[in-house]
Amino acid sequence: DAKTTQPTSMDCAEGRAANLPCNHSTISGNEYVYWYRQIHSQGPQYIIHGLKNNETNEMASLIITEDRKSSTLILPHATLRDTAVYYCIVRALNSGGYQKVTFGTGTKLQVIP
Amino acid sequence: DTAVSQTPKYLVTQMGNDKSIKCEQNLGHDTMYWYKQDSKKFLKIMFSYNNKELIINETVPNRFSPKSPDKAHLNLHINSLELGDSAVYFCASSRDRNYEQYFGPGTRLTVT
Repeated sequence: DAKTTQPTSMDCAEGRAANLPCNHSTISGNEYVYWYRQIHSQGPQYIIHGLKNNETNEMASLIITEDRKSSTLILPHATLRDTAVYYCIVRALNSGGYQKVTFGTGTKLQVIP
Repeated sequence: DTAVSQTPKYLVTQMGNDKSIKCEQNLGHDTMYWYKQDSKKFLKIMFSYNNKELIINETVPNRFSPKSPDKAHLNLHINSLELGDSAVYFCASSRDRNYEQYFGPGTRLTVT
C-alpha cells in the first residue's frame, strides 16, 4: 500500500468546516483513498472512500486532486463529537489477493467550543 | 442493534493464564479481522478470515489462535498470557476482503 502523510494534529472551531489533508504522492492507479476515524476509547469508524472523483456522504466530503497525489477530508460543520484521530489510508481493491489496511499515526483533530 | 460486538469489554488476568475474546457480527459480512492497538495507539492487523478461511496471518506469536466457527463469529484465544499482550483488541468485519471495515467496541486486556 502507498504511504500516506498527515499532520499530527489540528484544531477546528465548533461549527466551522474541518479540512484534513493527506498526501499520498506514490499512490497507484488502482488504489483508493479511505478515511477512518477513531473517537477516544472506541473502535475505528469508516467515513468515506474514493478513487478519483470527489465523494460526499452524510458524514463528510472527500476531495481528491486531479493528479491523485493528495486529498482532503472535509467535515462541513464540525461538532465536539468529531474530536478524534483521523486516518487516511490508500489501498487497492483487487478482486484476488487481500490488501491489508495499514493504519498510520493519523491526525488528531480537536474541535474547540 | 449492535453491528459488531465483542465480549468481554474488559479483561484483567494474570500472566500465564489462557483467555478468549469473542466477536460476533450481524451484518452478513464474509470477512472478519482481529486488530491489536498498543499503548502507543498503533493499530495493527493480526488475522483475517474470509468465509471461515484464514487469509491473513501477520507476525503474531502462535500463542494467539483465531477460530471462526461460522461466518458471523471470529474468536481469539490467547495461551500463556504475557505482560506485553496488554492492549486493546478490536474485531472488525467487511462485506468482502477488500471493502470498508466496521469495527467493534474493543476489548481492553490487562495482564498483571
